[in-house]
Amino acid sequence: NAGVMQNPRHLVRRRGQEARLRCSPMKGHSHVYWYRQLPEEGLKFMVYLQKENIIDESGMPKERFSAEFPKEGPSILRIQQVVRGDSAAYFCASSPPGTGGSYNEQFFGPGTRLTVL
Amino acid sequence: AQRVTQPEKLLSVFKGAPVELKCNYSYSGSPELFWYVQYSRQRLQLLLRHISRESIKGFTADLNKGETSFHLKKPFAQEEDSAMYYCALSGYSGNTPLVFGKGTRLSVIA
Repeated sequence: NAGVMQNPRHLVRRRGQEARLRCSPMKGHSHVYWYRQLPEEGLKFMVYLQKENIIDESGMPKERFSAEFPKEGPSILRIQQVVRGDSAAYFCASSPPGTGGSYNEQFFGPGTRLTVL
Repeated sequence: AQRVTQPEKLLSVFKGAPVELKCNYSYSGSPELFWYVQYSRQRLQLLLRHISRESIKGFTADLNKGETSFHLKKPFAQEEDSAMYYCALSGYSGNTPLVFGKGTRLSVIA
């Protein structure tokens, strides 16, 4: 099991362009979480998805940001019309299906570092 | 509101000295508390969680509900403990997002 994969590892965009970040969860994991880490800050939750469903998007800005986790393929975090403030490290984590009543460990990917010029 | 506070950005200790990384939380209810660690050039990984009450790599952490704290301790620091440490909480069991503190960088000096 290769672990959670994220690509690209580094992404440079100019203001106004679109950024697409991809996350492939660990084999057998059906839950995906996206977190953002601004410089000198901790990781902040953005969105939680299961296959084809958004479960919780309370941490995601309402404009310009969207996320999906299709039946086939990786989860995608999409940022439209990027601004300098979007420059950050974006981490994806995955966890197995819930068993109820106990915490399911989240396994983190290496992150994508987005730089907006 | 859920919040995790790690008051120290950087903690430097000598090898063999005791270590305590502080973590305080704010949550109405019964949270689950965790410590995550990120070694140089590696991914963030779970170190330990309060519910399992175990010692990992010599580290322990006790949940103190009265003081709303979950400090990470190790009696004798090793150079390989140098890393970034994040305290985190989740509000309920199962699959749930985590709330992280800003992290403390531990530097163990030989």
